[in-house]
Amino acid sequence: NAGVTQTPKFQVLKTGQSMTLQCAQDMNHEYMSWYRQDPGMGLRLIHYSVGAGITDQGEVPNGYNVSRSTTEDFPLRLLSAAPSQTSVYFCASMTPNSYEQYFGPGTRLTVT
Amino acid sequence: SQQGEEDPQALSIQEGENATMNCSYKTSINNLQWYRQNSGRGLVHLILIRSNEREKHSGRLRVTLDTSKKSSSLLITASRAADTASYFCATWPINDYKLSFGAGTTVTVRA
Repeated sequence: NAGVTQTPKFQVLKTGQSMTLQCAQDMNHEYMSWYRQDPGMGLRLIHYSVGAGITDQGEVPNGYNVSRSTTEDFPLRLLSAAPSQTSVYFCASMTPNSYEQYFGPGTRLTVT
Repeated sequence: SQQGEEDPQALSIQEGENATMNCSYKTSINNLQWYRQNSGRGLVHLILIRSNEREKHSGRLRVTLDTSKKSSSLLITASRAADTASYFCATWPINDYKLSFGAGTTVTVRA
């Protein structure tokens, strides 16, 4: 199993550009989530999904969209990038009853 | 706002010593988890303790949970250089679908 994979590893955007961060898992996990990590602040939840076709907002959803058309994929879209979205983004997945989250390696995003 | 807060923010110890870090949280929980993050990497799950448990062990890790004080501690015994990492507590509230992380404790183990 590859586990949770994220692409790209690094990305530089200009203010106002849009892009999609990809996340995929091959463990047949129903629950997937996106976090951002900023220095000194731990991880903050952006959006999460409890299954295909179902998504919900986390703590910091503004400026981000998600969709979940398959169990395996959970892309995160930045609609109009802003410097405040410079961060490291992590995708995670889990089975509902285990509560243990498996994290991807992260995407480091810089918005100039 | 974040649910958990770790203390201390940073910890430096000699190899072989024990490392203890604490986590306080605000709401009633289903479980509390500890994760490790090596520099530049994703988080790795270490241990989960449920609200009806008071202590749990996994190898050199010992976790305690005091729900009356809304606090937890993680003890790493006989530390090694490879234990150098950031450690995060995360809480899963009752009747919710979101894991909430604290800001983490950075542990440096000196050889």
